[in-house]
Amino acid sequence: GENVEQHPSTLSVQEGDSAVIKCTYSDSASNYFPWYKQELGKRPQLIIDIRSNVGEKKDQRIAVTLNKTAKHFSLHITETQPEDSAVYFCAPRHRDDKIIFGKGTRLHILP
Amino acid sequence: DGGITQSPKYLFRKEGQNVTLSCEQNLNHDAMYWYRQDPGQGLRLIYYSQIVNDFQKGDIAEGYSVSREKKESFPLTVTSAQKNPTAFYLCASSSQRGNSPLHFGNGTRLTVT
Repeated sequence: GENVEQHPSTLSVQEGDSAVIKCTYSDSASNYFPWYKQELGKRPQLIIDIRSNVGEKKDQRIAVTLNKTAKHFSLHITETQPEDSAVYFCAPRHRDDKIIFGKGTRLHILP
Repeated sequence: DGGITQSPKYLFRKEGQNVTLSCEQNLNHDAMYWYRQDPGQGLRLIYYSQIVNDFQKGDIAEGYSVSREKKESFPLTVTSAQKNPTAFYLCASSSQRGNSPLHFGNGTRLTVT
């Protein structure tokens, strides 16, 4: 079956430094690769996504890179700020529209 | 204002009772999903539906049932067969185009005692 692995499970970075979270998936037919941010007690919200025909996408301090050959994609956050503290999930879209989430990465921004 | 509505926000039930969680969307999305989230955990897929009158099991379907009689609605029933039903339940929808994100409701927190 489909498998989605996300690393690390917890990440602490100094404010202003960069954070990188990696997601590995198993379904070679996957064609859509989003990252969601979930703050405590709230619903997940899309922060950035990438389609399978591009390798990198950037939106201000956030970027996503995709390596389809190796079946992984990564979230990059630069110049981290306190409001970046949250749980981040990858959720690649598999064939037949099945969407499996990674187990999440709890990001702590240290003052 | 388009969106997904889950009701109620909090739900309390006694063990052994079935309970149905409501999910309605007015985004004209074809695909709908139910996820379960336990404290400090990720989202696990219970059921999903790509089209009216059709649905597929996710990774943890045992003890749950769904129906998709209308495009706008995808109710989830938590049956008495579900061993640990207390959790936060999230409903989501998406355009069936392969490159579309999930839109989530605000969730229902179910407590079974």
